[in-house]
Amino acid sequence: GAVVSQHPSRVICKSGTSVKIECRSLDFQATTMFWYRQFPKQSLMLMATSNEGSKATYEQGVEKDKFLINHASLTLSTLTVTSAHPEDSSFYICSARDSGYTFGSGTRLTVV
Amino acid sequence: AQSVTQPDIHITVSEGASLELRCNYSYGATPYLFWYVQSPGQGLQLLLKYFSGDTLVQGIKGFEAEFKRSQSSFNLRKPSVHWSDAAEYFCAVGAGANNLFFGTGTRLTVIP
Repeated sequence: GAVVSQHPSRVICKSGTSVKIECRSLDFQATTMFWYRQFPKQSLMLMATSNEGSKATYEQGVEKDKFLINHASLTLSTLTVTSAHPEDSSFYICSARDSGYTFGSGTRLTVV
Repeated sequence: AQSVTQPDIHITVSEGASLELRCNYSYGATPYLFWYVQSPGQGLQLLLKYFSGDTLVQGIKGFEAEFKRSQSSFNLRKPSVHWSDAAEYFCAVGAGANNLFFGTGTRLTVIP
């Protein structure tokens, strides 16, 4: 079946630094990928839709300058959290559209 | 607009007992419906999905779900729960190439 690889699984960074999270579709091409954020004990909230070769579409309230999304190829989308602050600490999950929706294993970001 | 309601935040069942997790959706047309399971700190694993056809859908790990258009429901069932089924369960609705909308999740606890 379709597999989406997300890396890193965990990252701790200092406040003010940037962190890049990668999402790869391993055995299929994904023209569309989605980035979600999940707070503890809560549901997934869509942050943005990443489209290969074009600008991402951000949901209302999501700062596009803070959460940079790049989808340069059909198998890779990246989310960069710029100038991270403790309130950005969260669980980030990507998803790729194939015959359904396949999710990565998530990235636990902790900003100290 | 799409929305998903999972009325039960937390359910506790005994191992070997039957399980039903409720999901109600709101969508203007025939939706694509999904159930995902998430273990702590992990990504989402697809249990089953409904796109069209037979309204009783079989999934992995012995789960099944029934789409009832008249009730706008897509409840998840399992005849006999195993301790390893303890996790968070999310119902989601999607349409076409758009993103998924998730319910708030139901946490399942399995007691011996």
